Amino acid sequence: GQQVMQIPQYQHVQEGEDFTTYCNSSTTLSNIQWYKQRPGGHPVFLIQLVKSGEVKKQKRLTFQFGEAKKNSSLHITATQTTDVGTYFCAGPGSGGSNYKLTFGKGTLLTVNP
Amino acid sequence: EPEVTQTPSHQVTQMGQEVILRCVPISNHLYFYWYRQILGQKVEFLVSFYNNEISEKSEIFDDQFSVERPDGSNFTLKIRSTKLEDSAMYFCASSLVEGGYEQYFGPGTRLTVT
Repeated sequence: GQQVMQIPQYQHVQEGEDFTTYCNSSTTLSNIQWYKQRPGGHPVFLIQLVKSGEVKKQKRLTFQFGEAKKNSSLHITATQTTDVGTYFCAGPGSGGSNYKLTFGKGTLLTVNP
Repeated sequence: EPEVTQTPSHQVTQMGQEVILRCVPISNHLYFYWYRQILGQKVEFLVSFYNNEISEKSEIFDDQFSVERPDGSNFTLKIRSTKLEDSAMYFCASSLVEGGYEQYFGPGTRLTVT
């Protein structure tokens, strides 16, 4: 079935350092979404990417969708303690089903103040 | 801002008992979902629901599970005979349009099976 692989599993940074998490799919994705889950919280939608090579920015966050639509990345510039949490990428289900999200295992970001 | 609500926040039950987890999706949303997350692991899809029927379900969603929208606002997940391995956080989510748009997640119900 559809798999979405995400690396690294953990990342610890000093406040002010940059952070990147990578997501790879075994199949071409029609779209990819990114969610953030604070410790003890629930997933919160960040963004959706649809087009090949798409780049979107939200303040210090930069999201990219690969040309082949099989990989994506989230880059945070100058991390802050408020960035702490697990970042998940999520793609459509197997067969391109839009009735489900297939989540990666997530990258847990911790930030040392 | 509208939000998805879930009750209870924590449910403790004995193995073999039935539990019903409740969700109130965002009022104008049309698509409803249940996911679960075992502690420290990824979010796993269970089932999606649209137009009063299941759209898709995962292999986790076996005969012990069922969903219902009993009225215009509630969306429930029933586990008929709980097992220890059902212990997890269960998230309800809803979306306005099909799939590829953002899903709004509720705060979750932590189910502990003893």
